[in-house]
Amino acid sequence: GAGVSQTPSNKVTEKGKYVELRCDPISGHTALYWYRQSLGQGPEFLIYFQGTGAADDSGLPNDRFFAVRPEGSVSTLKIQRTERGDSAVYLCASSSSGHPDTQYFGPGTRLTVL
Amino acid sequence: GQQVMQIPQYQHVQEGEDFTTYCNSSTTLSNIQWYKQRPGGHPVFLIQLVKSGEVKKQKRLTFQFGEAKKNSSLHITATQTTDVGTYFCAAWGYSSASKIIFGSGTRLSIRP
Repeated sequence: GAGVSQTPSNKVTEKGKYVELRCDPISGHTALYWYRQSLGQGPEFLIYFQGTGAADDSGLPNDRFFAVRPEGSVSTLKIQRTERGDSAVYLCASSSSGHPDTQYFGPGTRLTVL
Repeated sequence: GQQVMQIPQYQHVQEGEDFTTYCNSSTTLSNIQWYKQRPGGHPVFLIQLVKSGEVKKQKRLTFQFGEAKKNSSLHITATQTTDVGTYFCAAWGYSSASKIIFGSGTRLSIRP
């Protein structure tokens, strides 16, 4: 079946702009995670959804970052007033029931803030 | 807060040599997972360890969870060029507010 998909694959934006990154998890997976990965680093946890609710958003770096999952499937990560330091690969993962469980990662969205 | 240290950062071996990466936590872990990320790819799940002292094998890969559940290792016997990539551990702590912490990874490169 289809894996986790993310769109766009690449996003280039200017400092101060607003961006939205989309994640389509594996069908039926109730848990969804967002990570940020900088070059040479491991994925950095941002937020975890169980169903429609954010079960843990303690990894969001500041209030410019927000994520939603209104119907318990697709999720959107929203970044306001982007800064150059936001440039990274944003990874989404889903799992069937939540942690601890196997996470299936999407291909990521590479965000570049000029 | 909870930290996960992974060593070494890089390892360059001759094909056929063994490889080991270590993951160490400052706090007791409820479980640990290992992932592999190929260059330009995304992390792919390898294994999950839950029990103290647990050892699991997948062909040439051996995974261990320490008795105190504060450390873990991944050992690859007789490396092949297909083993190239970065290996990450990912850990959950016991606290109710714990979040998933990934190690910084060990990048394995292989001389044919």
